[in-house]
Amino acid sequence: SSELTQDPAVSVALGQTVRITCQGDSLRSYYASWYQQKPGQAPVLVIYGKNNRPSGIPDRFSGSSSGNTASLTITGAQAEDEADYYCNSRDSSGNGVFGTGTKVTVL
Amino acid sequence: QVQLQESGPGLVKPSQTLSLTCTVSGGSISSGSYYWSWIRQPAGKGLEWIGRIYTSGSTNYNPSLKSRVTISVDTSKNQFSLKLSSVTAADTAVYYCAREQSVVVLTLFDYWGQGTLVTVSS
Repeated sequence: SSELTQDPAVSVALGQTVRITCQGDSLRSYYASWYQQKPGQAPVLVIYGKNNRPSGIPDRFSGSSSGNTASLTITGAQAEDEADYYCNSRDSSGNGVFGTGTKVTVL
Repeated sequence: QVQLQESGPGLVKPSQTLSLTCTVSGGSISSGSYYWSWIRQPAGKGLEWIGRIYTSGSTNYNPSLKSRVTISVDTSKNQFSLKLSSVTAADTAVYYCAREQSVVVLTLFDYWGQGTLVTVSS
């Protein structure tokens, strides 16, 4: 299957930790990259590869992977982290595929 | 700093062809080992990868759209383009262009355009 499945929504108390998961067969062969999207804005890359952050992304964002599951963790969530998060990888044919998306609410 | 900007009609009639262009600034589209990609997002829904073109001109397309999609590049204008034929209301979405890096087992989109809304309606 070329699908990447994410939980539709998660919530986290301000300052607490939340983990977002992405499941798919392709993740056994490819690393995931993660994107944050706020309403009306283009997605922004927050994590890629094993656990790499682009310049300017806070270190409270981290990534990990095991088997067919990639995870994005926000440690000490802030109000500005409230957004939709998407994982991305490639399928077995090398085509791009995005996860179904997770809406993160910071309480 | 690389910047991407989508342009094209915001309204397309059903059965016609959607045409968008992405202009790249802050770097040459033909330098480096990058893919140039199109991604779309219907209102309230998730991201859908449409396809990509490499600097050599080789392309890959989403199998679900492959029969209707053409992506091309014009290096002299530092632009790449999307054509989607036989559109229906289901093709109404915000369309993004993005720069894609791909290294063996990793792919990522590091620069995105702001997105442009295309509505399919008569």
